[in-house]
Amino acid sequence: GENVEQHPSTLSVQEGDSAVIKCTYSDSASNYFPWYKQELGKGPQLIIDIRSNVGEKKDQRIAVTLNKTAKHFSLHITETQPEDSAVYFCAALNPGDFGNEKLTFGTGTRLTIIP
Amino acid sequence: EPEVTQTPSHQVTQMGQEVILRCVPISNHLYFYWYRQILGQKVEFLVSFYNNEISEKSEIFDDQFSVERPDGSNFTLKIRSTKLEDSAMYFCASSRRGEGYGYTFGSGTRLTVV
Repeated sequence: GENVEQHPSTLSVQEGDSAVIKCTYSDSASNYFPWYKQELGKGPQLIIDIRSNVGEKKDQRIAVTLNKTAKHFSLHITETQPEDSAVYFCAALNPGDFGNEKLTFGTGTRLTIIP
Repeated sequence: EPEVTQTPSHQVTQMGQEVILRCVPISNHLYFYWYRQILGQKVEFLVSFYNNEISEKSEIFDDQFSVERPDGSNFTLKIRSTKLEDSAMYFCASSRRGEGYGYTFGSGTRLTVV
């Protein structure tokens, strides 16, 4: 099955600087790669996603890049703010059989923005 | 914005008891899922449900677990004879169609088994 590795596990960044989180996946059939932000006691909130036919996607301060050949994708947050502090998870979706679409999550990155 | 609603937000149960976790997926979604997150760990897939049947389940989803869509709006996860190690956050999710479109998570139920 799919295996997703995520690094680093913790990341501290000065407010205003950029943060980068990296993930690798193992199954070349995976075709959808979302990133989730999770705040304490809450469910994963989708912040950006990318599909396998696209190499990069940007939404204001957040961007995601995908390298299908190397099977890795990265989250970039620019001009970080204190409210960006949270745990971030990457995930990969393997389409599998029809109706059989599970997400495999990375182990998470605890991002702390230092004021 | 449409939401996936889960109830209760927190459930405490005695070991050996049965619990039912409830979810109301987004109304026009066709695919339903349960995931689990043990404290401090990653989110893990439990089961997917489509067209009124389980389409895939993980190794975690053994005979102790079952899912049901009893009517047109609810999607439930039943855990029989709970164990201490079942303590976790349980997340329901739904999606509109394949390839992850509209894949949305609920805010979770924290299950504590004592």
